[in-house]
Amino acid sequence: GAVVSQHPSWVICKSGTSVKIECRSLDFQATTMFWYRQFPKQSLMLMATSNEGSKATYEQGVEKDKFLINHASLTLSTLTVTSAHPEDSSFYICSARWQNANTEAFFGQGTRLTVV
Amino acid sequence: DAKTTQPPSMDCAEGRAANLPCNHSTISGNEYVYWYRQIHSQGPQYIIHGLKNNETNEMASLIITEDRKSSTLILPHATLRDTAVYYCIVRGAQKLVFGQGTRLTINP
Repeated sequence: GAVVSQHPSWVICKSGTSVKIECRSLDFQATTMFWYRQFPKQSLMLMATSNEGSKATYEQGVEKDKFLINHASLTLSTLTVTSAHPEDSSFYICSARWQNANTEAFFGQGTRLTVV
Repeated sequence: DAKTTQPPSMDCAEGRAANLPCNHSTISGNEYVYWYRQIHSQGPQYIIHGLKNNETNEMASLIITEDRKSSTLILPHATLRDTAVYYCIVRGAQKLVFGQGTRLTINP
């Protein structure tokens, strides 16, 4: 299957700082990317959907000013967690899909964020 | 997007076929059934998807009932590496929304 790469795989940051997570589609052009977060022993929760060149659509309850998403190119989307707090510690996962809406989406390996 | 119902956990012996059921009684005509799995602390892995016909690939088979209200993912010869959480997702619009999935444990 297609390859989606996330970077970094894990990050530890101090409270109040911002962290940027990158999601790249390595061998296809991703018109749509999705960002999820996952707490221990829970399922993935969709945070937002981004289409290349337009603003992200956030799910209800997700603060757009705290979780900044940029999808500037067909191979790169970034999620920036601003002013991070310990409760933002989680596993963040991106997913990417190319143009046809009925094709499968491929997932990155995830980023473990720990805020201390 | 239609909701899905899966058993929270299942066990299967190594080498046997693992059959994972999924109910999606509110599925509409243009919604596909997708299956993903997640091994601990990794991103989900795509397995298979289908609309109304049964599908098979190198990983699994997907059997969709004629009324499309339920489906079964079949792993024909389960190995220990198939231990994971398996998610059945029904998708029509853009989003892939995950339910709680089935935690499948393959026992030696």
